[in-house]
Amino acid sequence: SSELTQDPAVSVALGQTVRITCQGESLRYQYASWYQQKPGQAPLLVFYGKNKRPSGIPDRFSGSSSGDTASLTITEAQAEDGADYYCCSRQSSGDPVIFGGGTKLTVL
Amino acid sequence: QVQLVQSGGEVKRPGASVTVSCKTSGYIFSSYAISWVRQAPGQGLEWMGWISGYNGNTGYAQKLQGRVTMTTDTSSTAYLELRTLTSDDTAVYYCARGQGTTADFDYWGQGTLVTVSS
Repeated sequence: SSELTQDPAVSVALGQTVRITCQGESLRYQYASWYQQKPGQAPLLVFYGKNKRPSGIPDRFSGSSSGDTASLTITEAQAEDGADYYCCSRQSSGDPVIFGGGTKLTVL
Repeated sequence: QVQLVQSGGEVKRPGASVTVSCKTSGYIFSSYAISWVRQAPGQGLEWMGWISGYNGNTGYAQKLQGRVTMTTDTSSTAYLELRTLTSDDTAVYYCARGQGTTADFDYWGQGTLVTVSS
C-alpha cells in the first residue's frame, strides 16, 4: 500500500536550520502539505502546495519537493517550533489522502 | 472568523456506535469539504474520509468502509458516525476543512475524544 515515510525524530540547535523530509511515490505527482502539532492541540497547517504558507505562519517555514521526496525547512528554528510534524498528500490509488508517520522535532 | 466546533467526548462499549458532530461557521459551507482525521493515543494522524459541503459526496478510507458514514445538514454541521466500535477506535477525532479535494486542511476542530471500553 502507498505510504509516506518520515524520520521519527529530528533535533536542531536553537537558531539553526532544520529540514524534515517525507518520502513517498505519491509525491512525484502531488505536493505535500505540512502540519505542526503540539501536545494536546489540533494540527496546524504550516505549508502547502508548491509554495504556500497560511496567514500567520512565520516565513521561516518553507517547503520544497524533488522526485519522491518533499521537505519542510525551518530556518533559524525557535524554541516554540518544537512539535510533531506530519506530511500529507493526495494519491491516485488507494485512499485519496495519506499522512506520514510524523517527525518529532526537538529544539535544543 | 472560521470556526469548527466539535461535540464533546464520548465513552462507548465495544460494539456500539458513536456520532461526532462538527459545527462550522464563518465561511460558505458549500465551498469546501470536511475531512475527518483521527489520532489514537500516542500515534500519528489517520485520514478517515471526507464529505463535500456542496453535494454531500463522500469518500472513505478503505479500512473503514462499511463502518463509517459521514453526513452534513443544513445548519453547516458535519457528522461522523462510526459503528461496531472496538478498542482500536479509541482516539481523538478531528474534523478539518479541506480546500476542494486537496490534502490541504486549513482549519481544524478542537478534537473529540472517543473512548471505547468495556
